[in-house]
Parts: sequence; C-alpha cells; structure tokens
Amino acid sequence: KNQVEQSPQSLIILEGKNCTLQCNYTVSPFSNLRWYKQDTGRGPVSLTIMTFSENTKSNGRYTATLDADTKQSSLHITASQLSDSASYICVVSATNSGYALNFGKGTSLLVTP
Amino acid sequence: DAGVIQSPRHEVTEMGQEVTLRCKPISGHNSLFWYRQTMMRGLELLIYFNNNVPIDDSGMPEDRFSAKMPNASFSTLKIQPSEPRDSAVYFCASSLNGQGAGGYTFGSGTRLTVV
Repeated sequence: KNQVEQSPQSLIILEGKNCTLQCNYTVSPFSNLRWYKQDTGRGPVSLTIMTFSENTKSNGRYTATLDADTKQSSLHITASQLSDSASYICVVSATNSGYALNFGKGTSLLVTP
Repeated sequence: DAGVIQSPRHEVTEMGQEVTLRCKPISGHNSLFWYRQTMMRGLELLIYFNNNVPIDDSGMPEDRFSAKMPNASFSTLKIQPSEPRDSAVYFCASSLNGQGAGGYTFGSGTRLTVV
C-alpha cells in the first residue's frame, strides 16, 4: 500500500531559527514528490517538486532534499519567519497513477516571536 | 486569474439537511478534483472529473454524496442527508489534463460543520 508518513506531527520554533521536516514514503514506482504549504483557512500551495534524479531543490528559504534509495525527503526552512506558520504537506506520485496523489497528514509548524 | 473559487467558505447545517458545495475551476483547466480534509485522515480524494466526465468516484464515501460537473466552469458536491461525521474542510482543485503530480491549484475550501 502506498503510504506517506510525516514527522513531527507539530513543531514550535522561535522566529529566526531553522527547522527540518521529514517525509518517508513507500510509494512505488516513484514519480515525484511535492511539498505543499497550507496556511490556515487556505488551500495547499506547492513549494517544490522533485523527481527521481533530483537530490536538492530550493525555493527561497525553503530547501527540499530527496533520497530515492531510502525513500525519504526533508524540507528545511532557514531563518524562519512568522509567516512560515502553516501546515506542510508531503505529496508523492507514482508513475502508474496518473492523477492520483498520496498525501501525508502534514506537519503543523508554529513560529513564535 | 482568480484561481479556483469555492463557495460558501463556511457552512453550518443541521443533521439531515442537504448541503451543496460549489466550485469554479481555473479557466482552461479540464480536470477537476474534490477533496475532503480532516485532522484524522488528512486530504482524501473524493472524485475526479476530466472534461466534465466523472473518471474516478471511488473515494465518495456513501450514496449520500454526489457530484456533478454540468460544464467546464462549474461543479457541485452535494451531501444529502448530511451527518455530523461529514464535518470537514472540502477542497476543490483543478489542473490541466489530470496532472496530479504537478499542476494542481486548490481553492480555499469550504469548512462544513454538521450539528
């Protein structure tokens, strides 16, 4: 069964600090992995997409890594800001699934002043 | 482009009542998805339309749920009769050619509370 597990479930950090969110998956055959940011009361918005051959991809202060061998991904947030407070969702696609996505349950991040 | 537009943003209804959620996809997108999000289960696909035709409705939980897409610019998700366990946030998303991997744009969701 295709599964996506995220950790931690929730996280509180001080503004300016860095943090790393984890995503482990069993989706196979792997196509790509996306990290979404979901602000409270809004729909998810894509941050990065990574394919099998990519190890690292950055989007501003967000850096995603992918280890396709161990089926792990991480999202690193540098110099956190209050606006980073949101839920971060890992989404994995399989090559034979077309439109179907496998969602993690998300990590809820709170950045405090 | 205004993005995917959902209405209403919030809906509170009594158990047994009919609820209709509405979605306007991005112009030019031919794939539309309805998702349900809860704390326990995260995001779950309910139904997928391509070119206004339902392709996969295996995620629709029960016969109480129905969805329609009468044209390329409008879709509805109906729950009749509603039950408290239907309380969740319902998202509509659209994309081009079913690109589940990448081209999704989500609406802001409808928060449904059934009391």
